[in-house]
Amino acid sequence: QKEVEQNSGPLSVPEGAIASLNCTYSDRGSQSFFWYRQYSGKSPELIMSIYSNGDKEDGRFTAQLNKASQYVSLLIRDSQPSDSATYLCAVKGSSNTGKLIFGQGTTLQVKP
Amino acid sequence: GAVVSQHPSWVICKSGTSVKIECRSLDFQATTMFWYRQFPKQSLMLMATSNEGSKATYEQGVEKDKFLINHASLTLSTLTVTSAHPEDSSFYICSAWAGNQPQHFGDGTRLSIL
Repeated sequence: QKEVEQNSGPLSVPEGAIASLNCTYSDRGSQSFFWYRQYSGKSPELIMSIYSNGDKEDGRFTAQLNKASQYVSLLIRDSQPSDSATYLCAVKGSSNTGKLIFGQGTTLQVKP
Repeated sequence: GAVVSQHPSWVICKSGTSVKIECRSLDFQATTMFWYRQFPKQSLMLMATSNEGSKATYEQGVEKDKFLINHASLTLSTLTVTSAHPEDSSFYICSAWAGNQPQHFGDGTRLSIL
């Protein structure tokens, strides 16, 4: 079992719709959770971080964390073609090294 | 926001050449810097963890004599790919971490070995 799992997609949604991206992780001691966006040929860009159970909203983005279910998600409201990218879920485990475990990434396609 | 500068952004060189990549945290002191490699359509693969003033910790399967890491200060880490060969061609990305903060990534270096 992979430590951080994501559906590779592609996930295709029409412009203006809600895109829902999901991620599960195996280390119950994980403390911090991040969503990075990566455009083709570019490096990852941090879009959301979440540390406690519940929802965290930032503009059109909402991150949701459920530690009991070992599940973290990212919702993108009013999806735009510019949101088309690969979204990487990253989990910082229980160690204090700062090391992140990345999922394989979900490719999102927003169609005009 | 936190800014991480990575240079060069693109390198094309002949097989057997050594290539140095720099990673700098511009507006914060990084406790740790990480070096990743990414092949097309794959996720990031952590190569090594670098702490200022100490030896880097390499992930399993990464040759430490081939990928030399120097972390001279809290704002600068370098990765040298020694005697590079075509199979070393990849996208190399560094990130910097200041503790209790997310990792912030440089823009990456695309390395092409002919």
